[in-house]
Amino acid sequence: GNSVTQMEGPVTLSEEAFLTINCTYTATGYPSLFWYVQYPGEGLQLLLKATKADDKGSNKGFEATYRKETTSFHLEKGSVQVSDSAVYFCALSSYSGAGSYQLTFGKGTKLSVIP
Amino acid sequence: DVKVTQSSRYLVKRTGEKVFLECVQDMDHENMFWYRQDPGLGLRLIYFSYDVKMKEKGDIPEGYSVSREKKERFSLILESASTNQTSMYLCASTGQGGTYEQYFGPGTRLTVT
Repeated sequence: GNSVTQMEGPVTLSEEAFLTINCTYTATGYPSLFWYVQYPGEGLQLLLKATKADDKGSNKGFEATYRKETTSFHLEKGSVQVSDSAVYFCALSSYSGAGSYQLTFGKGTKLSVIP
Repeated sequence: DVKVTQSSRYLVKRTGEKVFLECVQDMDHENMFWYRQDPGLGLRLIYFSYDVKMKEKGDIPEGYSVSREKKERFSLILESASTNQTSMYLCASTGQGGTYEQYFGPGTRLTVT
């Protein structure tokens, strides 16, 4: 079956530090890949996505590249801010029938950024 | 603006009670999902629906049922709540196609005592 593995947290960084959160996946076919973010007390929201190999998704200074050869989709940001403190989820999309797709999520990585 | 709403942010119920969690989306999406979120386990899919009156089991359907009588509304039902169903419940919706994002509601934190 499909699965997503992401680095376990929590991760604590100082403001302006470089961030990498590793994500690897196992899937049949060519799934779309996503990073979601969950701020304290809120639901998940899409951060970025990539739909095919070598695509780079980017948003709010975050980037991730779809690497088919290493089945990876690592999240990076060059300079984190306190406001980036949140839980980050890597996910892949797979077909579940009747035109419907479902997401398989990693377990989440909690990031804390300290001033 | 896209919106998924859930009926309660916090809910406290007793063991054995029947519990209804409601989710409404205003985007005319075909697909709706219920997840539960637990520390260290991430999000796990309970049920999903790809059309009115249609439902499919997810990874952990035991102890839950769902109802979708209208396109915009998807209800999660705990027939007889138990303490191990204490969790955060998240509803999501999406249109057709694997590249479309899922839009999430704010979540309902359910405590069963």
